[in-house]
Amino acid sequence: AQRVTQPEKLLSVFKGAPVELKCNYSYSGSPELFWYVQYSRQRLQLLLRHISRESIKGFTADLNKGETSFHLKKPFAQEEDSAMYYCALGGMRSFKTIFGAGTRLFVKA
Amino acid sequence: DGGITQSPKYLFRKEGQNVTLSCEQNLNHDAMYWYRQDPGQGLRLIYYSQIVNDFQKGDIAEGYSVSREKKESFPLTVTSAQKNPTAFYLCASSSRQAENTGELFFGEGSRLTVL
Repeated sequence: AQRVTQPEKLLSVFKGAPVELKCNYSYSGSPELFWYVQYSRQRLQLLLRHISRESIKGFTADLNKGETSFHLKKPFAQEEDSAMYYCALGGMRSFKTIFGAGTRLFVKA
Repeated sequence: DGGITQSPKYLFRKEGQNVTLSCEQNLNHDAMYWYRQDPGQGLRLIYYSQIVNDFQKGDIAEGYSVSREKKESFPLTVTSAQKNPTAFYLCASSSRQAENTGELFFGEGSRLTVL
């Protein structure tokens, strides 16, 4: 069965500190992993996806199939990174996309 | 202005009444989705549709119904059978074309409160 686990509901870090938001998944096929972000009073939007291997706003995420993880990392957190972050899992041949419970990141000045 | 439009933004209903939430997209996307967003539980998939006249149940379909008569539209009906309907509902769409594979585009959401 498809499942996404984000173990931390809330993560609070100081500005300039490294940040890592954890995501683990369960899927029997070839997974597509995404990170979505929801800033205050804005729509939920895509932050990055594992296929493109890109870095957006300084965030990166590496798919580790052995550990079934897709942790989101940023070396130096900024106050504007404060938001709700969701890890999402889709299948290569499937339209079904499910989300984790989300992690609220709070970056303190 | 391209995107996903949900209406209404806020809706109040009495217990026992059915209510329909609208979702329209002009992105020419094949797939559309309905999620329910509750604090601490993230987004849970209610229904999704890959193509016109076809849809599949998600993880929490009980008490909900959908239709997909047009590519642009995917309305969600919250029936009286839904035991805890008060929630924030998000509609999304996606395309499987080229570089947009898998990315979901979301509406602004509809907050339903059942009194």
